[in-house]
Amino acid sequence: GAGVSQSPSNKVTEKGKDVELRCDPISGHTALYWYRQSLGQGLEFLIYFQGNSAPDKSGLPSDRFSAERTGGSVSTLTIQRTQQEDSAVYLCASSIPSSGNTIYFGEGSWLTVV
Amino acid sequence: GDSVTQMEGPVTLSEEAFLTINCTYTATGYPSLFWYVQYPGEGLQLLLKATKADDKGSNKGFEATYRKETTSFHLEKGSVQVSDSAVYFCALSLYNDYKLSFGAGTTVTVRA
Repeated sequence: GAGVSQSPSNKVTEKGKDVELRCDPISGHTALYWYRQSLGQGLEFLIYFQGNSAPDKSGLPSDRFSAERTGGSVSTLTIQRTQQEDSAVYLCASSIPSSGNTIYFGEGSWLTVV
Repeated sequence: GDSVTQMEGPVTLSEEAFLTINCTYTATGYPSLFWYVQYPGEGLQLLLKATKADDKGSNKGFEATYRKETTSFHLEKGSVQVSDSAVYFCALSLYNDYKLSFGAGTTVTVRA
């Protein structure tokens, strides 16, 4: 597709369940990012993938959060044993790394933990 | 650490009013600066950017000038429309660190 595609667009899950969120970046974009946007909050960096390099996981809030990127393209963000405070919009973005890089965002996956 | 501070909202304006959203940054290097916009029900979109001091980014009637001496990147529009109602985010990215650091966002509502 032309833009960053995320699925599901909305997910309601019970506390304690695991969830997987998927991101399909723009074709040819080697950099992929996950951000989290909580209600009334700014955007919080979670994780960054660039090509075959080791991902920058410095933003992951706990060991319940993990992400992988297969074949340098599609990425999956997994949240294990979800908690209510995990409720947020999870945004995926991609770019071609360069000076003044423009990062393109998907529309996000709205996660509600009940 | 590198960070962005932007004016808190919400901001409510009438159509054709002048809009300014202040943004200042702290960075150890020479960042690129961005304004992103999130319209209701939509994803984040790049509005404009500037990659070095004194550059002016502009798009859709919005402008922002990269001011190194005041470490600022204020967003301005001379005459807003109802369709400009959105959340605006200031962000920075260092050359060797592609992560964007975002401000908290400013909600702007334009009334007819």
